Amino acid sequence: RKEVEQDPGPFNVPEGATVAFNCTYSNSASQSFFWYRQDCRKEPKLLMSVYSSGNEDGRFTAQLNRASQYISLLIRDSKLSDSATYLCAVFNDYKLSFGAGTTVTVRA
Amino acid sequence: GAGVSQSPSNKVTEKGKDVELRCDPISGHTALYWYRQSLGQGLEFLIYFQGNSAPDKSGLPSDRFSAERTGGSVSTLTIQRTQQEDSAVYLCASRDPGTQWEQYFGPGTRLTVT
Repeated sequence: RKEVEQDPGPFNVPEGATVAFNCTYSNSASQSFFWYRQDCRKEPKLLMSVYSSGNEDGRFTAQLNRASQYISLLIRDSKLSDSATYLCAVFNDYKLSFGAGTTVTVRA
Repeated sequence: GAGVSQSPSNKVTEKGKDVELRCDPISGHTALYWYRQSLGQGLEFLIYFQGNSAPDKSGLPSDRFSAERTGGSVSTLTIQRTQQEDSAVYLCASRDPGTQWEQYFGPGTRLTVT
């Protein structure tokens, strides 16, 4: 079983829609969690950390469910510029383990 | 401030040749990581440096891969006798020890082995 797994998508949504997707992790001792955004042929960029109580940054909301070992990302009022691959990352033993990414395409 | 920089941005090499990839982390970031991303794949951890030492080399795929870091700053990833399966984007990331483990990535080196 992979340490971090994501639904690859693609999620194809119209502008203004809400889209949400999850990421599961296998190590219950995992310490910290992140969402990164990766545009085509670019490096991953940190989108947001995921806190135990859940957190929001503008149109983006991240949740952590330790009991079920998953994190989620919700994007409200999708913009064309939100089209990207979203990578979840789980921190253990001084390194991040990444999921393979969820592709989101927002259409006009 | 300046982000993580990597060079070269692109490298095409013939099978069997050696290559060196360079990473210059964010100033003050003592932790440095190398990852590899093959086409359409997730990021694969290669090696982690804390200062100049590498406590975790577990991700290096074979003994053809090595890395060093000098002066607690610049790191070099060396691949000897390159193979076609080494073709990938090699990404470097650095971390400020005072933060909650966030890593910041450089633009990567796209390696193509022909």
